[in-house]
Amino acid sequence: AQKVTQAQTEISVVEKEDVTLDCVYETRDTTYYLFWYKQPPSGELVFLIRRNSFDEQNEISGRYSWNFQKSTSSFNFTITASQVVDSAVYFCALRGRGSTLGRLYFGRGTQLTVWP
Amino acid sequence: SQTIHQWPATLVQPVGSPLSLECTVEGTSNPNLYWYRQAAGRGLQLLFYSVGIGQISSEVPQNLSASRPQDRQFILSSKKLLLSDSGFYLCAWSAREGAGDTEAFFGQGTRLTVV
Repeated sequence: AQKVTQAQTEISVVEKEDVTLDCVYETRDTTYYLFWYKQPPSGELVFLIRRNSFDEQNEISGRYSWNFQKSTSSFNFTITASQVVDSAVYFCALRGRGSTLGRLYFGRGTQLTVWP
Repeated sequence: SQTIHQWPATLVQPVGSPLSLECTVEGTSNPNLYWYRQAAGRGLQLLFYSVGIGQISSEVPQNLSASRPQDRQFILSSKKLLLSDSGFYLCAWSAREGAGDTEAFFGQGTRLTVV
């Protein structure tokens, strides 16, 4: 079974604070892919990052960083020095291989609000 | 580059009326195609996915159907809308297994209100 859990429903921070969004996943596939998407108020889902299961290197892109740990089945997302424009719903997603035919399994999302 | 088009952006339909939402992808061949629905509460529910023309898999029984008449065209339909069909509908595509990148790219969504 494939499952993604985002335990944080809503997070509020003040601008310039760091914030970490948690994501825990479950899968029996030995090869899988993890994703983060951002959904601003306009509604469109914007792809942020993909991480392959065989690559546990953490990644940094500007103010964004991702911490992938297979040992704890987690793929957490940190925003450093948050800004008001970071306010959005963030989704973590999982895609397995084989019989799942490429479908994505999404967490329920975390609403991030950054106050000025 | 690949693009995905989804229309209309908003739609208000009376209960019992038919529905047709269209999604087309450009710049790629043989994509996997998906319809998701996002109801109040933000969760994304996969409705249908397709790995080829005429090949549709349904995730949950409901009042909706999907069709893929062409390789890069995916249509979501209903013969008679229910109030519970209201929501935000998102079309997405991803590359086939072994075709390289595996992330899904989403259209801009259709906000459907059934009144």
